[in-house]
Amino acid sequence: DAKTTQPPSMDCAEGRAANLPCNHSTISGNEYVYWYRQIHSQGPQYIIHGLKNNETNEMASLIITEDRKSSTLILPHATLRDTAVYYCIVRVPDYKLSFGAGTTVTVRA
Amino acid sequence: EAGVVQSPRYKIIEKKQPVAFWCNPISGHNTLYWYLQNLGQGPELLIRYENEEAVDDSQLPKDRFSAERLKGVDSTLKIQPAELGDSAVYLCASSLETGTGELFFGEGSRLTVL
Repeated sequence: DAKTTQPPSMDCAEGRAANLPCNHSTISGNEYVYWYRQIHSQGPQYIIHGLKNNETNEMASLIITEDRKSSTLILPHATLRDTAVYYCIVRVPDYKLSFGAGTTVTVRA
Repeated sequence: EAGVVQSPRYKIIEKKQPVAFWCNPISGHNTLYWYLQNLGQGPELLIRYENEEAVDDSQLPKDRFSAERLKGVDSTLKIQPAELGDSAVYLCASSLETGTGELFFGEGSRLTVL
């Protein structure tokens, strides 16, 4: 598995976009980028994933750089309920999902 | 649709005692996972089942941990005997397809060993 690097923590203002960075400079051509989040006292929740194209769903957008060495998860309008630990994971298909320490995101009113 | 159900949510035991955790995955999900999460860290995979077969148990400490999924639906994770260092959250997850990275997690079972 390629390793990922995320900032340990970040704050953002309620109602503003939250941009969560992730570096994965050793990613291989067949490794996907996944994002999960974990709200306090709950299990992790899948957010989005992508290979090389940008992806968007009802929760977030995923922007992957052209060289695929980094990505950004965008929460378009952060709410207090988005306060959580966000995990960026790179994964080969049919291989285990390996979580790192993630980024603790605090949304402030 | 019901999510992944785990029980108990909380368990406090003394060291050397046995403990068991139960998981019922989402209906129709053939793949089931048990993860361990220590305080302040990300979850770590213990074991993965495809139906009733354990296809990846390389991270399961087999001297004291065991798991089963006899009918390919619900699963039990057991620790016997428990040690102080086993205090953690035990998470169960399931997925619809083999090989997918989209897992659905339960709320976890928090174990405290005294």
